[in-house]
Amino acid sequence: EIVLTQSPGTLSLSPGERATLSCRASQSVSSNYLAWYQQKPGQAPRLLIFGASSRATGIPDRFSGSGSGTDFTLTISRLEPEDFAVYYCQQYGGSSYTFGQGTKLEIK
Amino acid sequence: EVQLLESGGGLVQPGGSLRLSCAASGFTFSGYAMSWVRQAPGKGLEWVSAISGSGGSTYYADSVKGRFTISRDNSKNTLYLQMNSLRAEDTAVYYCARCSSWYPAGSIDYWGQGTLVTVSS
Repeated sequence: EIVLTQSPGTLSLSPGERATLSCRASQSVSSNYLAWYQQKPGQAPRLLIFGASSRATGIPDRFSGSGSGTDFTLTISRLEPEDFAVYYCQQYGGSSYTFGQGTKLEIK
Repeated sequence: EVQLLESGGGLVQPGGSLRLSCAASGFTFSGYAMSWVRQAPGKGLEWVSAISGSGGSTYYADSVKGRFTISRDNSKNTLYLQMNSLRAEDTAVYYCARCSSWYPAGSIDYWGQGTLVTVSS
């Protein structure tokens, strides 16, 4: 089973700053099968990025994904107040999905 | 508009059973694989199970294999999760979710609001 490790665990930034979240896989992941989600308290997760770098419908262009192989990155270019949430990466492989443990993006 | 509405959660004793349902609307249900994903209180997301669009292929996390059964009724646009031999560690919010293709792969593009399952004596 592929293990996804996200870093940092918590990221403290101010609105307007740039956020860089990392997701590292224990073995190579197909870029087609790497996604990022945002989850706010009391809400279901929302798909942000699929295929490592494609934005889902309705996602602002300040969100971008990159990476390949075992190292993937979610970047939020300029933080808005509504972006403070928990972010998860996810991969599909070997007939199963796995999620990273999450990165909490909090207001500094 | 895609909508996924879970039901069937509640309080159950250890060793007991529960069946979750998920009513889907706003898309061609049989054209998409579906998944269940759970989240224990204060914890991260854990994939539980997935089923292909036809229902002919099913997949399970090791933590639930042999205890949980996923199924679907495409005539009723409904997804199910039969949970047997429940344990305290199965306590979580269970989300019904749509996979992005007919076969379980890639991303999960729509999520329900979740139903809480509590396993406790």
